[in-house]
Amino acid sequence: GQNIDQPTEMTATEGAIVQINCTYQTSGFNGLFWYQQHAGEAPTFLSYNVLDGLEEKGRFSSFLSRSKGYSYLLLKELQMKDSASYLCAVKPGRGSTLGRLYFGRGTQLTVWP
Amino acid sequence: SAVISQKPSRDICQRGTSLTIQCQVDSQVTMMFWYRQQPGQSLTLIATANQGSEATYESGFVIDKFPISRPNLTFSTLTVSNMSPEDSSIYLCSATSGESGYTFGSGTRLTVV
Repeated sequence: GQNIDQPTEMTATEGAIVQINCTYQTSGFNGLFWYQQHAGEAPTFLSYNVLDGLEEKGRFSSFLSRSKGYSYLLLKELQMKDSASYLCAVKPGRGSTLGRLYFGRGTQLTVWP
Repeated sequence: SAVISQKPSRDICQRGTSLTIQCQVDSQVTMMFWYRQQPGQSLTLIATANQGSEATYESGFVIDKFPISRPNLTFSTLTVSNMSPEDSSIYLCSATSGESGYTFGSGTRLTVV
């Protein structure tokens, strides 16, 4: 099976930096995604990592270490609108699971003024 | 990336009845998927909708309960059959065309009474 773990909740203040961690154990690996989901809305794409290292995109960065089965999403200069659930998802990419995405439980981030 | 129209957006249904959810993609996609998201939880993959053939179900989900169709490359339906209150959830479809990101429909909020 697929095992993807991330913290349930995090809080931070406006303007701060927050790091959301994700660890995974899957049958093969073909990429890791981060999605943002506001309450009552569909998930929206934030980042995709397939190789080790840091991918930076504006205020958001995502890091991957395949050997450690570990990723993090880094959010800088937090804004109130960043309050949302952040979902880590892995694409195992092997055999019968080819193409499928499996999600962690999601991390509910609350940004305080 | 592809845009998905999902309907209905919400419904309240009597137990024992069935509801069919539709997803229409604005372009041809390689793969389509159906997820369930229970309140405060992350996304659980129900099945992969295969074009022109039977869907591939994840462990814990069966065709009799969640029949799926995908007659072409842009359209899929999920039916929730013989509903019980435990089926109350948000159901989302997703689509991808390979290496690009995965797009999600806006979700169907189902309440079974």
